[in-house]
Amino acid sequence: DVKVTQSSRYLVKRTGEKVFLECVQDMDHENMFWYRQDPGLGLRLIYFSYDVKMKEKGDIPEGYSVSREKKERFSLILESASTNQTSMYLCASSPLDRGLDEAFFGQGTRLTVV
Amino acid sequence: GDSVTQMEGPVTLSEEAFLTINCTYTATGYPSLFWYVQYPGEGLQLLLKATKADDKGSNKGFEATYRKETTSFHLEKGSVQVSDSAVYFCALSLNRDDKIIFGKGTRLHILP
Repeated sequence: DVKVTQSSRYLVKRTGEKVFLECVQDMDHENMFWYRQDPGLGLRLIYFSYDVKMKEKGDIPEGYSVSREKKERFSLILESASTNQTSMYLCASSPLDRGLDEAFFGQGTRLTVV
Repeated sequence: GDSVTQMEGPVTLSEEAFLTINCTYTATGYPSLFWYVQYPGEGLQLLLKATKADDKGSNKGFEATYRKETTSFHLEKGSVQVSDSAVYFCALSLNRDDKIIFGKGTRLHILP
């Protein structure tokens, strides 16, 4: 059974903290994605990666960075957490087949910044 | 730029009613089209997909047809169940890269 695992379901952090959200996939997929999900705004792409050590900015990269040191792991980093980064964060992976196949999602991390 | 527009929710229906959730897209090139579903407390999972014009995707009684002439991919189900209550996302993926673009989602409530 294919799996994308996010390290935490719920997280509470203080303003100014450095926050790491971890995502691991076991499908040997080349592509990995980080989205945030907010009411009324749907899913917005933060960053994606199509290979180890490669990354591309999505639509809302400000305040975030990412790391992909190994193929199976894609980390989202909030350099200095702020209250407007309170959100649901979703990680996904997909194979490199030029858009023909679907993405597989983790269960999400609900982050609250206080 | 490339985008997906879907009808705003929430949509509230009685059990066994007919469902349509509209989705239209704007894209350069020929995208693949998807419907994802998010049940309460869970991540997204693929419901159905279509990779070229006139293809029909279907799963669990849901259907959607890729209409290039109207740039649409409307989701339909003939008789909804309470268990279909969820948020539905229309999405597209372009073959020039593997980025997936989502609509804002439509929350569906089915009343018994």
